[in-house]
Amino acid sequence: GAGVSQSPSNKVTEKGKDVELRCDPISGHTALYWYRQSLGQGLEFLIYFQGNSAPDKSGLPSDRFSAERTGGSVSTLTIQRTQQEDSAVYLCASSLSRDTPGQPQHFGDGTRLSIL
Amino acid sequence: AQTVTQSQPEMSVQEAETVTLSCTYDTSESNYYLFWYKQPPSRQMILVIRQEAYKQQNATENRFSVNFQKAAKSFSLKISDSQLGDTAMYFCAFKTGANSKLTFGKGITLSVRP
Repeated sequence: GAGVSQSPSNKVTEKGKDVELRCDPISGHTALYWYRQSLGQGLEFLIYFQGNSAPDKSGLPSDRFSAERTGGSVSTLTIQRTQQEDSAVYLCASSLSRDTPGQPQHFGDGTRLSIL
Repeated sequence: AQTVTQSQPEMSVQEAETVTLSCTYDTSESNYYLFWYKQPPSRQMILVIRQEAYKQQNATENRFSVNFQKAAKSFSLKISDSQLGDTAMYFCAFKTGANSKLTFGKGITLSVRP
């Protein structure tokens, strides 16, 4: 079946603009994660959704960042009033239920966000 | 807090030879899981191998194997018979049974020379 799908693949925008990044997880995966990868760095956790539970937002760097997941499937990460330090690759991952904690996370190809 | 350390920023290996990538972690949890992910230039993170902390036997996936030393909190990846397609960044990652997020190391760039 299809893997995790992210769009757009690349996004260039001006400082101060809002951006929306989309993630479509693997069918049947109830857990969805957003990570940020800055140049030369590892991945930094942003937010986690599990089914209908309240999301874990503990990794969001500021209140300019928000995310939602509609219908337990597609998720959108929104960054308001973008700043240059928001430039990074944003990766989405999905996995089976949290009840199987050893299940690996499957990643999309990411969105490369560049703020001018 | 959990931390993952990959102290080698880059390594190089001749095709067909064996290379070992090191990783250490720190946690007070007893139940956790360890992963190695590969990230080629295409950006997609690809799972290479995983290890459950409660299993003493080291995980193996074809040419990839781990040396898991729980007491030393060490989780190294051995790649045998290196191939040009193994050229990529490799990330060590950790998660507990209770916390679903992955904690990543900073990664190591592996280059396989023809």
